Amino acid sequence: GENVEQHPSTLSVQEGDSAVIKCTYSDSASNYFPWYKQELGKGPQLIIDIRSNVGEKKDQRIAVTLNKTAKHFSLHITETQPEDSAVYFCAPRQFTGGGNKLTFGTGTQLKVEL
Amino acid sequence: KAGVTQTPRYLIKTRGQQVTLSCSPISGHRSVSWYQQTPGQGLQFLFEYFSETQRNKGNFPGRFSGRQFSNSRSEMNVSTLELGDSALYLCASSLNRQENNNSPLHFGNGTRLTVT
Repeated sequence: GENVEQHPSTLSVQEGDSAVIKCTYSDSASNYFPWYKQELGKGPQLIIDIRSNVGEKKDQRIAVTLNKTAKHFSLHITETQPEDSAVYFCAPRQFTGGGNKLTFGTGTQLKVEL
Repeated sequence: KAGVTQTPRYLIKTRGQQVTLSCSPISGHRSVSWYQQTPGQGLQFLFEYFSETQRNKGNFPGRFSGRQFSNSRSEMNVSTLELGDSALYLCASSLNRQENNNSPLHFGNGTRLTVT
């Protein structure tokens, strides 16, 4: 099965700084790479995703980059704001087949300080 | 469009009892998955239902079971509760317009189960 590692486990940044979270996976068949954000008291919500035929995707202040050769992908958040404080999870998988049996990373607690 | 709805939000049970949790997926979504979230183990996959059939199962004991109804609503049941079953149980639905093409997961806000 997929072995997923996520680093760092906690990240504290000043408001306006950038934050980067890295996810390393083991299954070379993975071709879909999403990031989820979980706020306190809520379920995880998809914030950005990328397919393996694309190296980078950006959506306003967040971006995801993929290095398929090294089997890792990263979440980049620029100009961080207090509302970015949450736990972030990666969950790489195959886009076709296998159903929705996801292996999540261990999560990164991001704290944006004023 | 309404999101994924899970009921109840909070539940307190005693060891040895059983519990049933409910999940209403987003309208039109055919796949419903269940996950257990604990501080120690993180997010772990329980099972997935698609068109009323279980098509994936995680590594949980047989005390954990589920089902899906014809309207895609799903329930999960935990029998003979143990203290270690205390967790946030999350349900996620997915469109999966074609059975073999996976779609993004949409999570509910979970049911917080406490076993005393």
